[in-house]
Amino acid sequence: EAGVAQSPRYKIIEKRQSVAFWCNPISGHATLYWYQQILGQGPKLLIQFQNNGVVDDSQLPKDRFSAERLKGVDSTLKIQPAKLEDSAVYLCASSQEKQGRIAFGNTEAFFGQGTRLTVV
Amino acid sequence: LAKTTQPISMDSYEGQEVNITCSHNNIATNDYITWYQQFPSQGPRFIIQGYKTKVTNEVASLFIPADRKSSTLSLPRVSLSDTAVYYCRTGGSYIPTFGRGTSLIVHP
Repeated sequence: EAGVAQSPRYKIIEKRQSVAFWCNPISGHATLYWYQQILGQGPKLLIQFQNNGVVDDSQLPKDRFSAERLKGVDSTLKIQPAKLEDSAVYLCASSQEKQGRIAFGNTEAFFGQGTRLTVV
Repeated sequence: LAKTTQPISMDSYEGQEVNITCSHNNIATNDYITWYQQFPSQGPRFIIQGYKTKVTNEVASLFIPADRKSSTLSLPRVSLSDTAVYYCRTGGSYIPTFGRGTSLIVHP
């Protein structure tokens, strides 16, 4: 079974530039997550999709971050303009929420290797 | 947001059993508890999940008391390759929340 694919693996940009990350989840997984992980901290959820609809984006800085999941498969996360504090690893994860489970996050999530973003 | 609390770091030696406890005082009724392992430059990897009592798989055991306000991940006979950061996560009302994790260092 192919895992969650992310690209690029590394990206260095200057502040105020824009950047985009791409994620291809495991085939058949309806739920897709984007997390931000700052060095030394746990992953912080930015946005969660169920198919192509947004379940939660309450922690997404919407003035500069945007995400979409066209056709309920691939997803892109964009930052425009980037700030120094956006330097982090951006992780994509997917899961197959089982029927009948009420709360999301109760199903095993599979993570990609992440994109390490450095803003200089 | 459901919040989890774990020790920041732990040290152990090869062959020992390691127990890492996570506190999740406000876990919701429908939330499961899931533990992940993360190596440097990789995404977290699922270890084990449970709702109550005890769950065991080929790599770990998970102990959850009746009140479900905490859980303990038990790693039997750790090896050097178990050096990693361990996170507990609860379902958390649609926002699966990770804590800061426990950095486990296994010494020879």
